[in-house]
Amino acid sequence: DAKTTQPTSMDCAEGRAANLPCNHSTISGNEYVYWYRQIHSQGPQYIIHGLKNNETNEMASLIITEDRKSSTLILPHATLRDTAVYYCIVRDPLRTSGTYKYIFGTGTRLKVLA
Amino acid sequence: DTGVSQDPRHKITKRGQNVTFRCDPISEHNRLYWYRQTLGQGPEFLTYFQNEAQLEKSRLLSDRFSAERPKGSFSTLEIQRTEQGDSAMYLCASSLGSANEKLFFGSGTQLSVL
Repeated sequence: DAKTTQPTSMDCAEGRAANLPCNHSTISGNEYVYWYRQIHSQGPQYIIHGLKNNETNEMASLIITEDRKSSTLILPHATLRDTAVYYCIVRDPLRTSGTYKYIFGTGTRLKVLA
Repeated sequence: DTGVSQDPRHKITKRGQNVTFRCDPISEHNRLYWYRQTLGQGPEFLTYFQNEAQLEKSRLLSDRFSAERPKGSFSTLEIQRTEQGDSAMYLCASSLGSANEKLFFGSGTQLSVL
């Protein structure tokens, strides 16, 4: 079962900031939140991840609430090429191997409008 | 291109036929994952390799599915006696392996079973 809840779709005007919310109310204290995006017919592409502090890289910013139950991905100046499905992901441990599997939900379909 | 590569990109087959997909991970990555994605859904975990050892298998991986990673390099995923329900995008991902690792996904193999 998905561990995250996201809006199904959002529109954003080109050049404006796109703010994509995600709820992850059952996240454990030491688990990261990951964001990926998927452009049609391609594999998911890593954007950013964080634990509790806000994070920023060349692609986006990630704001995590103090209680860690939700987060927002911010694309500061959306372009047409940012049109994609954005996934907020919390991992599940694979107990016998010490690694994790990503639990994808259905994501948010972001459409950037000219 | 030093990313994860998958071959073929598209495969059309008739029900009952066997198919095999190949994944070449990023060369220094010892962890390799297979995911499956159906239309309108996020990817779902299938199986995990650490080097050549297959350490995890999802219950989604029926006995018609088999995966290998000989010598811990490339991996193959074979589906025997394909069914129409096997139609999906099969994604491979690799990682170095750390507590907050990020996965690098390939572009996937789109399988259509007629």
